Amino acid sequence: GENVEQHPSTLSVQEGDSAVIKCTYSDSASNYFPWYKQELGKGPQLIIDIRSNVGEKKDQRIAVTLNKTAKHFSLHITETQPEDSAVYFCAAKGGSGGSNYKLTFGKGTLLTVNP
Amino acid sequence: DTEVTQTPKHLVMGMTNKKSLKCEQHMGHRAMYWYKQKAKKPPELMFVYSYEKLSINESVPSRFSPECPNSSLLNLHLHALQPEDSALYLCASSLSSSGHNEQFFGPGTRLTVL
Repeated sequence: GENVEQHPSTLSVQEGDSAVIKCTYSDSASNYFPWYKQELGKGPQLIIDIRSNVGEKKDQRIAVTLNKTAKHFSLHITETQPEDSAVYFCAAKGGSGGSNYKLTFGKGTLLTVNP
Repeated sequence: DTEVTQTPKHLVMGMTNKKSLKCEQHMGHRAMYWYKQKAKKPPELMFVYSYEKLSINESVPSRFSPECPNSSLLNLHLHALQPEDSALYLCASSLSSSGHNEQFFGPGTRLTVL
C-alpha cells in the first residue's frame, strides 16, 4: 500500500519567517494530495490540496508544490503568524492496489511560530 | 452548513460498559468515515460508509460497531473496550468516497477507557 513520509517532525520559526514541510509518497498512482491543519482539541481542517495534473497551487500565504517524478510534495507558509502554530499533516489518495478510497497520512509536523 | 458535529465531546467508560458516539452532517455528503487518532499520531481509518452502506472495514475489532441510520447520521457503538482503545475518535464526511473530494472532519470525541 501507499506510504507517506513527512519531515520535519517539529519546526520552530520566528513570526514573519517562512515554513516549509516536505512529504514523499511511494505509490506513483496516487493523484490527490491534501494538507490538513490540526489545532489542539480540534479535528483536522483542510488548508490546501493539489491534484496530480498540477505542479503548484497557491492560496494567500499558503502554497503547495508537487513533483510527480520525484514523488514528493511540499507545503510552504510565508509570513508566519502565531495562529499558524498547529500540527500539519500531509496525505495522499488514489493509489493502486485497491486503496484508492483511502487517505494515507504522514506522521505530522508540529509547527510553532514564536512571536 | 459546512460542519460535522460529534457528540459527546468527552466520554469515560469502563471495560464492561456499552456506549455510542454520534456524528451528524447536513452537507448532503454521501460518504462518512470513522477514524481513530492516538496522541501525536495521524488519524487511522476505521470504517467507510458510502450511500449509507458499509463499504470499508479496516480490520477493526468487533467491539466497535458502526451504524448509519440515514444519510446525515453516523454512529459508533462501543462495547467491551480495552484501555488501549482510549483515543480521539474522529468522524468525517465527503461528497463521495472516490475521487478528489475534500473530507470534512468533526472535532472528535475524546474517549477514555478505564
